[in-house]
Amino acid sequence: GAGVSQTPSNKVTEKGKYVELRCDPISGHTALYWYRQSLGQGPEFLIYFQGTGAADDSGLPNDRFFAVRPEGSVSTLKIQRTERGDSAVYLCASSLRGAGEDSPLHFGNGTRLTVT
Amino acid sequence: AQSVTQLGSHVSVSERALVLLRCNYSSSVPPYLFWYVQYPNQGLQLLLKYTSAATLVKGINGFEAEFKKSETSFHLTKPSAHMSDAAEYFCAVYSGTYKYIFGTGTRLKVLA
Repeated sequence: GAGVSQTPSNKVTEKGKYVELRCDPISGHTALYWYRQSLGQGPEFLIYFQGTGAADDSGLPNDRFFAVRPEGSVSTLKIQRTERGDSAVYLCASSLRGAGEDSPLHFGNGTRLTVT
Repeated sequence: AQSVTQLGSHVSVSERALVLLRCNYSSSVPPYLFWYVQYPNQGLQLLLKYTSAATLVKGINGFEAEFKKSETSFHLTKPSAHMSDAAEYFCAVYSGTYKYIFGTGTRLKVLA
């Protein structure tokens, strides 16, 4: 079946602009995660949704970052007033339930964001 | 708090040689541990997982990992490397609060 889909695959924007990154999880997966992967680093947790609500947003670096999942399926990560330090690959993952030993994460291919 | 440490950001092996990628964990509770692989321009793919059922875990593509509590390790091995194994490998621990904590990754290079 279809996996996790992320669009766009690449996004180049100018410093100070607003961007939206979209994630379409696997159908039926209630849990959705956003991670950020900087060059040479492992994925860093940003936010976790269970259904429509953000169960844990402790990884969002500051208030320029915001994510929504209004209908419990597709999610959008929004970044305001982008900075060069926001350049990274943004990964979305979904799982059948919350993460646990029997509900591993399924990742999309990521969106590579470059802020010039 | 849970964490993982991957020793060696780059590892090179010859084709058909043993692959050994190291991961040590820190956890205050019995951990759930995972290995993921990432091919260029792709997302992470689950290789295998340890959930306390058996200490030796077999995964896809001939990889396996052994959980050693006394050494707090979960090293990934494969008896014979193939060119297609070249990728980046991430060890991860389930934090117990619906999050995975990832290591910094090890890039595996396979030499012909």
